[in-house]
Amino acid sequence: SQTIHQWPATLVQPVGSPLSLECTVEGTSNPNLYWYRQAAGRGLQLLFYSVGIGQISSEVPQNLSASRPQDRQFILSSKKLLLSDSGFYLCAYTTGASGNTIYFGEGSWLTVV
Amino acid sequence: GENVEQHPSTLSVQEGDSAVIKCTYSDSASNYFPWYKQELGKGPQLIIDIRSNVGEKKDQRIAVTLNKTAKHFSLHITETQPEDSAVYFCAASKGTGRRALTFGSGTRLQVQP
Repeated sequence: SQTIHQWPATLVQPVGSPLSLECTVEGTSNPNLYWYRQAAGRGLQLLFYSVGIGQISSEVPQNLSASRPQDRQFILSSKKLLLSDSGFYLCAYTTGASGNTIYFGEGSWLTVV
Repeated sequence: GENVEQHPSTLSVQEGDSAVIKCTYSDSASNYFPWYKQELGKGPQLIIDIRSNVGEKKDQRIAVTLNKTAKHFSLHITETQPEDSAVYFCAASKGTGRRALTFGSGTRLQVQP
């Protein structure tokens, strides 16, 4: 069966510090991978998506970047965090079998102080 | 691009009553409409979905209806229970990758015991 893992679950980072959130998918190959952000009490905003290794598309210009070094690994990064980067970050995937059904990870709470 | 509007933003019902959440979409080419349930601090979980070739789908106490002509779809929860309390998101899609799901803004459902 397919599973998605995302870590860390929570982190508190000072303004100006770097960020690295990691996501891996198991049980499938060549998934489409996504990073979403959810501000407190708000909806889901698509940040990045990837259809293959090294292929990243950005939906919203911002202080963040994404990378896909391996087929089932997706990383969200920042060199210098801003207060506005605080939020709930969700990794998600689709597969050829799932079509356009998206499955989400458990999320990472980021608080920038 | 696609735009999805969701109403109401909050909904409070008594245990045992029914709850209805409505969404409208703008892109007539959208053909897949999932609903997600998000509990506090967790990632959204798919609870039911419907494709454009179907008008209604049921799964125990939940059902979704789709009106393609009017471009709206609804989630119906019958015999609500306290554990149904969560935030519910609707979404619309016509593919994957760049055509990933466009989400509604969410409905916070509170079931009063």
